Amino acid sequence: EVQLVESGGGLVQPGRSLRLSCAASGFTFDEYAMHWVRQAPGKGLEWVAGVNWNSGSIGYVDSVKGRFTISRDNAKSSLYLQMNSLRPDDTAFYYCVRGPGYSSGLNYFDSWGLGTLVTVSS
Amino acid sequence: EIVMTQSPATLSVSPGERVTLSCRASQSVSGHLAWYQQKPGQAPRLLLYGTSARATGVPARFSGGGSGTEFTLTITSLQSEDVAVYYCQQYNNWPPYTFGQGTKLEIK
Repeated sequence: EVQLVESGGGLVQPGRSLRLSCAASGFTFDEYAMHWVRQAPGKGLEWVAGVNWNSGSIGYVDSVKGRFTISRDNAKSSLYLQMNSLRPDDTAFYYCVRGPGYSSGLNYFDSWGLGTLVTVSS
Repeated sequence: EIVMTQSPATLSVSPGERVTLSCRASQSVSGHLAWYQQKPGQAPRLLLYGTSARATGVPARFSGGGSGTEFTLTITSLQSEDVAVYYCQQYNNWPPYTFGQGTKLEIK
């Protein structure tokens, strides 16, 4: 069974940093692209960032470019999101999600974690 | 960026009725369109991909159609457990992948 477990969320002040982690199990991690999708409380879904199987192809939504960095450690079956210069509008549940294969292109999201809540507030 | 627009925003339907949700893309996404279901307090779940292919475990009452810029999700006989918000997502162009704003489906 595919399992994706996010951690690292919490309350943080504007301008500070936070690092999210996602521990994957139940599948061969280095055979899949991985992504982060977020959802502000009571709002819709927004794709944030994605990485292909070997970190050779990475993309971001414009609103986080230059502030967020997605990375993965295939040896640890883990995905990360380093979030710097956080803003109140970054407040959201952050979901770790899996793409359908090696490439980060043409990706829908076939498995989702339960999410971790990031709250940016003073 | 491809903008996805869903309609209606909210739909109230009686059990057993047929339901059709719509999703429009601002430019062609070919057949690269997925649908997700999000029940209250839960993470989203993949329902359909490639416009009409059902994900593992999705009941046959869920079906998808369309092409280019116009797509639909149909539930042939609404069940109480289908109460949820439904999102479409285009995956033809990235970055970014984009979602519609969602359709909230309620039981009448």
